[in-house]
Amino acid sequence: GAVVSQHPSRVICKSGTSVKIECRSLDFQATTMFWYRQFPKKSLMLMATSNEGSKATYEQGVEKDKFLINHASLTLSTLTVTSAHPEDSSFYICSASAPYEQYFGPGTRLTVT
Amino acid sequence: EDQVTQSPEALRLQEGESSSLNCSYTVSGLRGLFWYRQDPGKGPEFLFTLYSAGEEKEKERLKATLTKKESFLHITAPKPEDSATYLCAVLNLDSNYQLIWGAGTKLIIKP
Repeated sequence: GAVVSQHPSRVICKSGTSVKIECRSLDFQATTMFWYRQFPKKSLMLMATSNEGSKATYEQGVEKDKFLINHASLTLSTLTVTSAHPEDSSFYICSASAPYEQYFGPGTRLTVT
Repeated sequence: EDQVTQSPEALRLQEGESSSLNCSYTVSGLRGLFWYRQDPGKGPEFLFTLYSAGEEKEKERLKATLTKKESFLHITAPKPEDSATYLCAVLNLDSNYQLIWGAGTKLIIKP
């Protein structure tokens, strides 16, 4: 089956610093990748949709200057949380579409202290 | 407005006790309906895609069915390792591959 990796799986950073999360589709090419955020015991909240080689489309209420998304190739997308604050602490999950099914990475637990 | 509703919110079963999870949807044009399984602290794991009413798919103890208004995920003789949250999502014909998600059903199988 299609495999998506995400790195790191856990990260702790200090308030005001930036964190980069990588999402890779390992055995297929994904023209579209998605970034989600999930709060405890809640469903997935779509943050942005990114297509290879173009700017990401952000959902309403998601700050594009804070959550920078780069989709440099058909197998790699990155999410950078800039100037992180404790309220950004969450579980971030990426997915890659092939083309209709979305395959998810294992998630990244971000804790901002 | 496109919408996906899952029921029940939570379901507790004894090991071996079969049951079904429901996913009702309203969408202007269905491209596909997807079932995922999510374990705590992990990303969702893809289970099934259903594209048209009448379609059925099976995987081990799970069977997914689709009508024009809803989908069922039947679980036969479940085991404790089937405990997870099961998520349903639909893809609209007009969307940029964005899924519309249900809130999930938390399934607990007691030994």
